[in-house]
Amino acid sequence: DAGITQSPRHKVTETGTPVTLRCHQTENHRYMYWYRQDPGHGLRLIHYSYGVKDTDKGEVSDGYSVSRSKTEDFLLTLESATSSQTSVYFCAISEASGSLNEQFFGPGTRLTVL
Amino acid sequence: EDQVTQSPEALRLQEGESSSLNCSYTVSGLRGLFWYRQDPGKGPEFLFTLYSAGEEKEKERLKATLTKKESFLHITAPKPEDSATYLCAVRTAYGGATNKLIFGTGTLLAVQP
Repeated sequence: DAGITQSPRHKVTETGTPVTLRCHQTENHRYMYWYRQDPGHGLRLIHYSYGVKDTDKGEVSDGYSVSRSKTEDFLLTLESATSSQTSVYFCAISEASGSLNEQFFGPGTRLTVL
Repeated sequence: EDQVTQSPEALRLQEGESSSLNCSYTVSGLRGLFWYRQDPGKGPEFLFTLYSAGEEKEKERLKATLTKKESFLHITAPKPEDSATYLCAVRTAYGGATNKLIFGTGTLLAVQP
């Protein structure tokens, strides 16, 4: 299994509070991704990173920010959580640019915003 | 707009009853099609990558095939442990060097003993 961990695995929070989810990899892969998974929508890309301090938006980035200060860590922050951000969040990693490499996924974080 | 559609949404099979799952796509330049398996409460697990029409790949009871418009995941003589959600994803020419993927919503497979 790819060495990807996510923390926390479960979190319940209240509307308006900040939340940070962490993804940690031991594979030294360049690319890291944050997805959310909701019934009927499949996996949707929130943000991704193509190197330390290099990040860009995905298709559902509103209300989320990311940071990557080290190769192994990719943080997803909800500055002020809303109920619509209740979801399961997955981190993924991929090896290199310009080649058709698959993404490997972490175990997920289930976030509930009350 | 790039789109990936999986069918059926759900499929119930008896153990040993072979069948196929479908992934159809309309994208601007396919650069790879990926199949994943997802068990409840877990992250997707990579199964196959297909790059060009006519390509086939196999793993145990699973065989993935690719045409210019769709991919099939054939399950031969399934067992209850094959029960999972199967996800299809594509990488397009506009995914660029970032390897971004577009996912379908999956097929939930249940294999009964």
